[in-house]
Amino acid sequence: EVQLVQSGAEVKKPGESLKISCKGSGYRFTSYWIGWVRQVPGKGLEWMGTTYPDESDTRYSPSFQGQVTISADKSISTAYLQWSSLRASDTAIYYCATSSTSSDIFDYYYGMDVWGQGTTVTVSS
Amino acid sequence: DIQMTQSPSSLSASVGDRVTITCRASQSIRFYLNWYQQKPGKAPKLLIYGASSLHSGVPSRFSGGGSGTDFTLTISSLQPEDFATYYCQQSYSDLTFGQGTRLEIK
Repeated sequence: EVQLVQSGAEVKKPGESLKISCKGSGYRFTSYWIGWVRQVPGKGLEWMGTTYPDESDTRYSPSFQGQVTISADKSISTAYLQWSSLRASDTAIYYCATSSTSSDIFDYYYGMDVWGQGTTVTVSS
Repeated sequence: DIQMTQSPSSLSASVGDRVTITCRASQSIRFYLNWYQQKPGKAPKLLIYGASSLHSGVPSRFSGGGSGTDFTLTISSLQPEDFATYYCQQSYSDLTFGQGTRLEIK
């Protein structure tokens, strides 16, 4: 079974750094892209960016370019989303997601059919 | 960027009703359109990909249509478990979600 398991909830202060994780299992991690999606409390879904572990390539939404860093460690089948300096506006639930069907780089035709359980990030002074 | 606009933003309906949600893209996305269902406190679930293909395990009362810029998600006979928020997503050029449609019980 293809599964994504995310790291636990975080409470941080503005200006702090943070790295959350998403561990894949049940499939060949390097051959499938992993995307990150933000959901601010009470709001909709926003695509942040996607990484393709096999080629260490990452694409970002213009809204998040320069604000976060998305990466992956193939050796432990884990993708990451990190911030160097958090803001209160980063308070949200962050989901990782992938396609269990498409193994082409950044091919989203089959949608995101496997999702992590979400990581809640709270940034407050 | 490709913008996605869903309508309506919210919808009240009864069990057994047929409902349709629309999604419009700011430019042609051919058939690169996906639909998701999200319930409170849960991760989204994929319903439809490629505009009209039903994802595995999704009930046949869900159907998708359209191409180019205009798309629909139809639920033929609402069931109690269908009351949720629905999102469209274009996958033609990177990814963009619509703002969501909240489906509530009348």
